[in-house]
Amino acid sequence: AQKVTQAQTEISVVEKEDVTLDCVYETRDTTYYLFWYKQPPSGELVFLIRRNSFDEQNEISGRYSWNFQKSTSSFNFTITASQVVDSAVYFCALSDLIQGAQKLVFGQGTRLTINP
Amino acid sequence: NAGVTQTPKFQVLKTGQSMTLQCAQDMNHEYMSWYRQDPGMGLRLIHYSVGAGITDQGEVPNGYNVSRSTTEDFPLRLLSAAPSQTSVYFCASSYSITGELFFGEGSRLTVL
Repeated sequence: AQKVTQAQTEISVVEKEDVTLDCVYETRDTTYYLFWYKQPPSGELVFLIRRNSFDEQNEISGRYSWNFQKSTSSFNFTITASQVVDSAVYFCALSDLIQGAQKLVFGQGTRLTINP
Repeated sequence: NAGVTQTPKFQVLKTGQSMTLQCAQDMNHEYMSWYRQDPGMGLRLIHYSVGAGITDQGEVPNGYNVSRSTTEDFPLRLLSAAPSQTSVYFCASSYSITGELFFGEGSRLTVL
């Protein structure tokens, strides 16, 4: 069965610190997709990134970067020079392609608090 | 574009009552799904649809029904509400089987 583990339930840092959110996944599939979503205090879910299993290149988008390592089944997310607006719950998710549809298997989420 | 629209945003029910959570998307997405979010458990799939007239069960389908008569709409029905169904419900749609999900703003349901 597919599984996503976000071992860090809560993280609290001071503004401008760098912070890494860990994500470890389990799957038997050779083709799969990994996602990160952000859920700010307002409650909506915001898509951040999608990565397929054949592309192990790290990705950088502004202050955000993602490190995908198939060897350790990890897809970690780093925020550089964190800001108060980064405070949110972050979810890592893994796709499970079932019967022509997609089911996302979510981790439990990491609540990130950036203190001024 | 409005994206994915869910109504109502908040609802309080008594045990045994029924209700329907509405979901509509204007992006012509074939794939739609309902998730529930509970503290410490992430989001779990309730039901999903790969197109009009086609629905199937996800991880936690008990107590819920869905139908998909049009591409745009995917309502979720609670037949006889139970306190265990107190949760935040998210409707989502996607343009492809491997694409990212576009989520609605969520519906917070409390069952007393």
